[in-house]
Amino acid sequence: QSVLTQPPSVSGAPGQRVTVSCTGSSSNIGARYDVHWYQHLPGTAPKLLIYDSTNRPSGVPDRFSGSKSGTSASLAISGLQAEDEADYYCQSYDSGLSAYVFGAGTKVTVL
Amino acid sequence: EVQLVESGGDLVQPGGSLRLSCAASGFTFSSYAMNWVRQAPGKGLEWVSVISPSGNNAYYADSVKGRFTISRDNSKNTLFLGMNSLRVEDTAVYYCAKKNSGSYHFDYWGQGTLVTVSS
Repeated sequence: QSVLTQPPSVSGAPGQRVTVSCTGSSSNIGARYDVHWYQHLPGTAPKLLIYDSTNRPSGVPDRFSGSKSGTSASLAISGLQAEDEADYYCQSYDSGLSAYVFGAGTKVTVL
Repeated sequence: EVQLVESGGDLVQPGGSLRLSCAASGFTFSSYAMNWVRQAPGKGLEWVSVISPSGNNAYYADSVKGRFTISRDNSKNTLFLGMNSLRVEDTAVYYCAKKNSGSYHFDYWGQGTLVTVSS
């Protein structure tokens, strides 16, 4: 059981907008620790997609955006493309566990 | 260009030991905290351990505390993970990841090395 809760899968047609939710608690996201998002393709290095809840590293398309409110966060992918098909993980820090925590991951499928 | 290259993964029997390495380049290694993160087959990412830039402080996930030891050699830009009393459930791809200073995220990751614990 992951500390951060994500839906197992989301899907959308090319060009559509999809969102991935990430729900935490008062000891992580609710404790004002930021949420970070990673894109992971099997057999490759995970890639930082969004940091500090809303910021994109250089080179990440602006189709990807993040938001945070209360004990939850979301990753939005607009203008969905075939290359966006991957696993997406949210991550934060938990003060109760004194540990970095991840969600279980969400598989995004492009129909 | 930041590069992180893990090595040392292998097939080991339950109760055995292994030492993983991560060679870093493209940044001032001694200035950043470094982490190990793992992914078991069919599972998600799990943080394992972090070590401070100097190597003086280290923290572990409860699942590996007392069995794993993280260390670093700043003169050789290399991160290590010593693993003892290995269990079947430690089977995973192990990634080293650079922590961004000033925030709680990992900005660069290696490609991973596979550890298989099986008899």
